[in-house]
Amino acid sequence: DVKVTQSSRYLVKRTGEKVFLECVQDMDHENMFWYRQDPGLGLRLIYFSYDVKMKEKGDIPEGYSVSREKKERFSLILESASTNQTSMYLCASSTAGGPVEQYFGPGTRLTVT
Amino acid sequence: DQQVKQNSPSLSVQEGRISILNCDYTNSMFDYFLWYKKYPAEGPTFLISISSIKDKNEDGRFTVFLNKSAKHLSLHIVPSQPGDSAVYFCAASGKSGGSNYKLTFGKGTLLTVNP
Repeated sequence: DVKVTQSSRYLVKRTGEKVFLECVQDMDHENMFWYRQDPGLGLRLIYFSYDVKMKEKGDIPEGYSVSREKKERFSLILESASTNQTSMYLCASSTAGGPVEQYFGPGTRLTVT
Repeated sequence: DQQVKQNSPSLSVQEGRISILNCDYTNSMFDYFLWYKKYPAEGPTFLISISSIKDKNEDGRFTVFLNKSAKHLSLHIVPSQPGDSAVYFCAASGKSGGSNYKLTFGKGTLLTVNP
């Protein structure tokens, strides 16, 4: 079974804090993705990575950065958290050579106050 | 502009009846389509997919139909069960933008199956 884990299920941070969201997958997948889910907006892609140290911007990258130093780990960084970044953050992974289904982690509910 | 549209935010059906969830897309480069199911406070789980070379794919109670000329797909659940109550996301991928492994998601449809 593919397993994608995220470091926290719930997180509360203050405005201006630097926030790290960690994601780990155990299936040796090449591709990893970060999405945010907001009511009425569906899932929106923030960043994705198709290889170690490689990254590409998704549809809404502003205010975020990512890091992929190891194949199994993909981190999302909020350099200076703002209240409009309060959301559900979902990590996913997939094999290379698409199109294939992506496997999602349980999500991190981030609240920025 | 929204490339994958789920125009019904919610749908309510009786247990045992058919649930039909609809999805429209605008990008003709999309060639692979997926449905995901999401319960509250959980990540989406993959349900079923279809390639553009097919017009139907079936897996147990779930069937996806693709009408390429209309750029429309639908998910049929027969018979519907209360455990099917969840948000359903339609997603599409294609060679648009040079990446054929990115997924573009619709906004989701909340399905409620009443006992």
